[in-house]
Amino acid sequence: DSGVTQTPKHLITATGQRVTLRCSPRSGDLSVYWYQQSLDQGLQFLIHYYNGEERAKGNILERFSAQQFPDLHSELNLSSLELGDSALYFCASSARQGLNSPLHFGNGTRLTVT
Amino acid sequence: DAKTTQPPSMDCAEGRAANLPCNHSTISGNEYVYWYRQIHSQGPQYIIHGLKNNETNEMASLIITEDRKSSTLILPHATLRDTAVYYCIVRVAGTSYDKVIFGPGTSLSVIP
Repeated sequence: DSGVTQTPKHLITATGQRVTLRCSPRSGDLSVYWYQQSLDQGLQFLIHYYNGEERAKGNILERFSAQQFPDLHSELNLSSLELGDSALYFCASSARQGLNSPLHFGNGTRLTVT
Repeated sequence: DAKTTQPPSMDCAEGRAANLPCNHSTISGNEYVYWYRQIHSQGPQYIIHGLKNNETNEMASLIITEDRKSSTLILPHATLRDTAVYYCIVRVAGTSYDKVIFGPGTSLSVIP
């Protein structure tokens, strides 16, 4: 158990809808990262937050947004969903930003858009 | 883009050492090498990381060449449960940001 909690585990919704994925980092971790993994695809970095502030963006669509709250949990909002958004979404946390701080991943949210 | 190159797949006999290579020829002096693995569709699992010295923990050993342009992850006694995709990553960081970019990794199959 990595200590990172993601909810829900599974989500099925229709095209055009909006969903929110939630991530609770390990206790004390200040950094949160979001990744998308489509079927048979690699892990695509989406966004990184540190202590409530956005720090880095990857290939995140404009339809997607995220935030990190004062209690350090994070939410990833996906809107105007398309079939191609079906994927596993992973959250990871680390104690601090910087190069000597491993990421610890949750078990992901599996999103299915029908 | 990922700054590492790994073979797409490898096989290893159960009980033998699995040696997974990684090239990172453009690594900078302050960048760490990290290894993760992903078993089926589970969340990636942190294995080990290092800067320039060899490292060992309960899971694996990490050997980094003196010029830091390549490294090898060693699983000393591979088991069937070690079958996974292994990712070698160089942390890319600026003054205030940190992207952790995963490449395609190496799919390791441990064979009975």
